[in-house]
Amino acid sequence: DGGITQSPKYLFRKEGQNVTLSCEQNLNHDAMYWYRQDPGQGLRLIYYSQIVNDFQKGDIAEGYSVSREKKESFPLTVTSAQKNPTAFYLCASSIDGFSYYGYTFGSGTRLTVV
Amino acid sequence: QKEVEQNSGPLSVPEGAIASLNCTYSDRGSQSFFWYRQYSGKSPELIMSIYSNGDKEDGRFTAQLNKASQYVSLLIRDSQPSDSATYLCAVPSGTYKYIFGTGTRLKVLA
Repeated sequence: DGGITQSPKYLFRKEGQNVTLSCEQNLNHDAMYWYRQDPGQGLRLIYYSQIVNDFQKGDIAEGYSVSREKKESFPLTVTSAQKNPTAFYLCASSIDGFSYYGYTFGSGTRLTVV
Repeated sequence: QKEVEQNSGPLSVPEGAIASLNCTYSDRGSQSFFWYRQYSGKSPELIMSIYSNGDKEDGRFTAQLNKASQYVSLLIRDSQPSDSATYLCAVPSGTYKYIFGTGTRLKVLA
């Protein structure tokens, strides 16, 4: 079955530590996205990528980094520069980046700072 | 700053009633609109899309779009307890991304 796989489901980060969240899709979608969701807030865009080897900052990119070396994969690294990383992270993909089609979301990664 | 606004709720309706969820947006140039359902602790799931003024029906769901008034609505007929979730409205922002509303929490009372 086609879909988006995010791992791990739960992740605990120590102060000063970088962590990487995995996102893999087998939908043959060109565009991929990372959103962050905090309680009582909408989804906020961190980074997005329309094609391989290209990505753009979203609204809250500070403290995060991404790569898009393969069409199927769009990992997100939460660096120590992100001071409040505790949140629910959602990876999504769409057929292309022209906003005409909706997103397919992964199941999410819940990140907690310990 | 382009915005999408939703009433956070909770909106409580009895089982079998019609639930009406509303969303307003600020960008007059928006062409496509989406409704996602998100169960507690889960990721959003696309349930409806609408591109033209008027109504679009899919089973118990009807999406309504009024571009002149800049609002999009979602009606859920014969509401069931399993419809209890947060409903997110999404509007394109530019060409390559969406803005999401904060969502309306719906509670269907058995």
